[in-house]
Amino acid sequence: GAVVSQHPSWVICKSGTSVKIECRSLDFQATTMFWYRQFPKQSLMLMATSNEGSKATYEQGVEKDKFLINHASLTLSTLTVTSAHPEDSSFYICSAKDRDSNQPQHFGDGTRLSIL
Amino acid sequence: QKEVEQNSGPLSVPEGAIASLNCTYSDRGSQSFFWYRQYSGKSPELIMSIYSNGDKEDGRFTAQLNKASQYVSLLIRDSQPSDSATYLCAVTRTGGGNKLTFGTGTQLKVEL
Repeated sequence: GAVVSQHPSWVICKSGTSVKIECRSLDFQATTMFWYRQFPKQSLMLMATSNEGSKATYEQGVEKDKFLINHASLTLSTLTVTSAHPEDSSFYICSAKDRDSNQPQHFGDGTRLSIL
Repeated sequence: QKEVEQNSGPLSVPEGAIASLNCTYSDRGSQSFFWYRQYSGKSPELIMSIYSNGDKEDGRFTAQLNKASQYVSLLIRDSQPSDSATYLCAVTRTGGGNKLTFGTGTQLKVEL
């Protein structure tokens, strides 16, 4: 089945650090990837839609200069949290849509980010 | 009004019983409907997808869709303790570019 690999699975770092999270589709090509954030006991909130070779589309209220998204190939999208602060601590999850299938998005295992 | 609404629960059912999870959505342009299961600390796992009115069965799971009432449900038969998780309802809308809008989820507890 379609596999989405997300790394790292967890990160603990100091306030002010920038953190990069990778999302890879291992056995399919994804023209579109999605980045979600989930706070404890809350649902997934879409942050941005990442399209290969073009700028990401951010949801309302998401700072594009803080959450940098790059989708340079059909199998890789990255999310960089710049100058992270404790309030950015959350569970970040990516998903990818198979370009050649009508199946729904496939989710990565998520990245738990803790900013001290 | 939230786009996708679910009762947060917890919904407690005894082992072997039927668990019924409900979801309503506000956008009549919604076209595809999904149920995801999420264990604590894990990412969502697709359980069922449904695209047209009626019932769709897959093993112990049955999804029901009523577009006129803007309502989608998930029935879990013969509930097991391993079914204890949060169940997320998600929808996409026509022209929405495959974007999923999630409900807040219903926590299900299956008790021995």
